[in-house]
Amino acid sequence: QKEVEQDPGPLSVPEGAIVSLNCTYSNSAFQYFMWYRQYSRKGPELLMYTYSSGNKEDGRFTAQVDKSSKYISLFIRDSQPSDSATYLCAVSRQLTFGSGTQLTVLP
Amino acid sequence: ETGVTQTPRHLVMGMTNKKSLKCEQHLGHNAMYWYKQSAKKPLELMFVYSLEERVENNSVPSRFSPECPNSSHLFLHLHTLQPEDSALYLCASSPVASGGARETQYFGPGTRLLVL
Repeated sequence: QKEVEQDPGPLSVPEGAIVSLNCTYSNSAFQYFMWYRQYSRKGPELLMYTYSSGNKEDGRFTAQVDKSSKYISLFIRDSQPSDSATYLCAVSRQLTFGSGTQLTVLP
Repeated sequence: ETGVTQTPRHLVMGMTNKKSLKCEQHLGHNAMYWYKQSAKKPLELMFVYSLEERVENNSVPSRFSPECPNSSHLFLHLHTLQPEDSALYLCASSPVASGGARETQYFGPGTRLLVL
């Protein structure tokens, strides 16, 4: 079983839609949960960082961690074409990454 | 220049060539990393350096040889590579290599490598 599972997509949504991106992980010892965003021809950039369970909000982005079900989510409200990118979830330790979900927001 | 820079951005090499990838971070961090990113696969951690000392080597073939002369520079020396080594090679840095700060990594733009 992979340590982190992520649906690769691709996912296309209309502008203004709410986007839900998800990952599952296998090791209940993980404490840090991250979402990275990677634009085409760029390296990943840290988007959201959560320690332990709960929600964290930053503008249009909300990261959610459910440790009981080993499930992490990223919600994007009022999605914009500029949000089109590949979104990578990552968990500690050793920053284990999912394979990424390619998101396209259509104008 | 700010952040993490990598050169070259693109590289094409034959299987008998020797080349080097360079990474430089301008963030004052003490830890640096090399990752391999292949299409549809998760990022694979290759090497971790903390204060110029290699602290992790994740079963990477010896045809990849890292070098960290100081905390701001990291190299990946390549020799006798195989076509399956074609990928995007990403460098990252973080304040330290352990604890929560390790998770806040800053990535460079990567070097896209094609091995013929």
